[in-house]
Amino acid sequence: GAVVSQHPSWVICKSGTSVKIECRSLDFQATTMFWYRQFPKQSLMLMATSNEGSKATYEQGVEKDKFLINHASLTLSTLTVTSAHPEDSSFYICSAREGSRNTEAFFGQGTRLTVV
Amino acid sequence: RKEVEQDPGPFNVPEGATVAFNCTYSNSASQSFFWYRQDCRKEPKLLMSVYSSGNEDGRFTAQLNRASQYISLLIRDSKLSDSATYLCLIYNQGGKLIFGQGTELSVKP
Repeated sequence: GAVVSQHPSWVICKSGTSVKIECRSLDFQATTMFWYRQFPKQSLMLMATSNEGSKATYEQGVEKDKFLINHASLTLSTLTVTSAHPEDSSFYICSAREGSRNTEAFFGQGTRLTVV
Repeated sequence: RKEVEQDPGPFNVPEGATVAFNCTYSNSASQSFFWYRQDCRKEPKLLMSVYSSGNEDGRFTAQLNRASQYISLLIRDSKLSDSATYLCLIYNQGGKLIFGQGTELSVKP
């Protein structure tokens, strides 16, 4: 099946610094990518949806200036957590799919972010 | 009301039991439906897509009821290895992929 590679798989950073997470589709063109966040024992919450070449659409309550999403190509999307704080510590995961509405979504391996 | 809701867990069942999960959705124009499985601290993995006519894959059966706006997952002859969190994923008309909150299944010997 299709592969989505997410990097890094885990990161520890100091409070106030920024962290960039990359999500790459390795063998298909991801016209749409989704970014999720999952706190312990909670569900995967959609943060934003991005289409290649367009600005991301953020869900209510997600600060677009804090979580910068770039989807500059059909194979790469990045999420940058700016000025990270301990409450941003979470499991971040990306998903990608091709254009067809009935195709499954493929998930990256996830990034476990810990802000200290 | 959440756009996608699942049965609350956890479900604790003995090996060999049959267990069923439901997932309701509020947007009647939702287009695609999937069941995913998530093991602890890992990314979700596709278990099966849900087709209008219903579909079966070994011990797993998925069904879609558009009139009542829910999908279901039936697991027969549960194995210890089936223990995981089961998530429904729905592609809504607005182009978003929305997860249910997940149902935790624990299969005991």
